[in-house]
Amino acid sequence: EAQVTQNPRYLITVTGKKLTVTCSQNMNHEYMSWYRQDPGLGLRQIYYSMNVEVTDKGDVPEGYKVSRKEKRNFPLILESPSPNQTSLYFCASSNQGWTGREQYFGPGTRLTVT
Amino acid sequence: RKEVEQDPGPFNVPEGATVAFNCTYSNSASQSFFWYRQDCRKEPKLLMSVYSSGNEDGRFTAQLNRASQYISLLIRDSKLSDSATYLCVVNEKTSYDKVIFGPGTSLSVIP
Repeated sequence: EAQVTQNPRYLITVTGKKLTVTCSQNMNHEYMSWYRQDPGLGLRQIYYSMNVEVTDKGDVPEGYKVSRKEKRNFPLILESPSPNQTSLYFCASSNQGWTGREQYFGPGTRLTVT
Repeated sequence: RKEVEQDPGPFNVPEGATVAFNCTYSNSASQSFFWYRQDCRKEPKLLMSVYSSGNEDGRFTAQLNRASQYISLLIRDSKLSDSATYLCVVNEKTSYDKVIFGPGTSLSVIP
């Protein structure tokens, strides 16, 4: 089954404790992206990757890191989480770029930072 | 002005009603347009792409007006299963492929 998976689905952590949210897709997509979704603000792009070893900032990259060592995986790293990073996070993938292409989303990771 | 704006909602309509959602975007250079559907606490899923000539998929009709920078989604004969949040999505080709989501409009179809 073609899908994007994220882990963990739910996470409660404390300020400053490094964490990683994993994202994996089995569709051989080149493009992957991370979004956060907050009430009233919609989904906002954090980072995206056009291919292996190619990553770039989206609209809200502060406080986040990513890596793309393999085509299928695109982990999101919070080196020192803060309460304002409490949010619902989605990973997405697409074939050959976003423009005109459908994005496939993972099920989401609900993060709470206390 | 926000890059992509949508009707604030929520829309509460009876089964069988016709409902229309509107979306405006600020960048005239925007290239691709979509409507996504998001069920409560679930991931967004593509509902339909929006083409300049307008397009229809069953009970759903999407239209694009580039001159007015306006996108619409019409749902006819609403079903209970149409209850969801509808997201307007715009792609811009700037220095990278930028994807902008609208805040969404919530729809509840009532028996």
